[in-house]
Amino acid sequence: GNSVTQMEGPVTLSEEAFLTINCTYTATGYPSLFWYVQYPGEGLQLLLKATKADDKGSNKGFEATYRKETTSFHLEKGSVQVSDSAVYFCALDTNTGNQFYFGTGTSLTVIP
Amino acid sequence: GAVVSQHPSWVICKSGTSVKIECRSLDFQATTMFWYRQFPKQSLMLMATSNEGSKATYEQGVEKDKFLINHASLTLSTLTVTSAHPEDSSFYICSARGVGQGTEKLFFGSGTQLSVL
Repeated sequence: GNSVTQMEGPVTLSEEAFLTINCTYTATGYPSLFWYVQYPGEGLQLLLKATKADDKGSNKGFEATYRKETTSFHLEKGSVQVSDSAVYFCALDTNTGNQFYFGTGTSLTVIP
Repeated sequence: GAVVSQHPSWVICKSGTSVKIECRSLDFQATTMFWYRQFPKQSLMLMATSNEGSKATYEQGVEKDKFLINHASLTLSTLTVTSAHPEDSSFYICSARGVGQGTEKLFFGSGTQLSVL
């Protein structure tokens, strides 16, 4: 079946540290992959996406590359800020019939 | 930008009662709405997909008679947890996809924390 496995948190980093949050997926066909972010007290917001293999999604300094060979879509940022503190969700759209799946979410706290 | 309003944000109810959660798209028409459930430290689990004017499509293992979904208009979908029990306590979140928009135009509500006593 379809699923998303995401690195467990919580993750605590110092400001300007390098961030990686791992995400791997299982899917049939050709899914699209997403990272969503949820800031405290808010709803989920799309952070970045990639719709086919080798695509790189990027936004606000975050990047993730769709790797079909390793079925991965790891989120990275070279230098995190306190304002990046949030919960990050990896997600998959099967592109067949409105099926959308999320990972467990990874809580990130960035300390000054 | 587009906004999805979900309420209540938190509800406490007695076992055996029913609870209705509303999900509204405020400035766009939502042809498709999704309902998710999240247990602590677990994935958002897709419960059902609803298209305006038609019956909801439930994921395997989700009880249709327990979780009633109504998508009566292009701006409103409701999830009713019928005869709620403590095991139904969870975080429920909706999302909405607008007319002619791809997945990147999927907007989320802020979620509803349901606690059943």
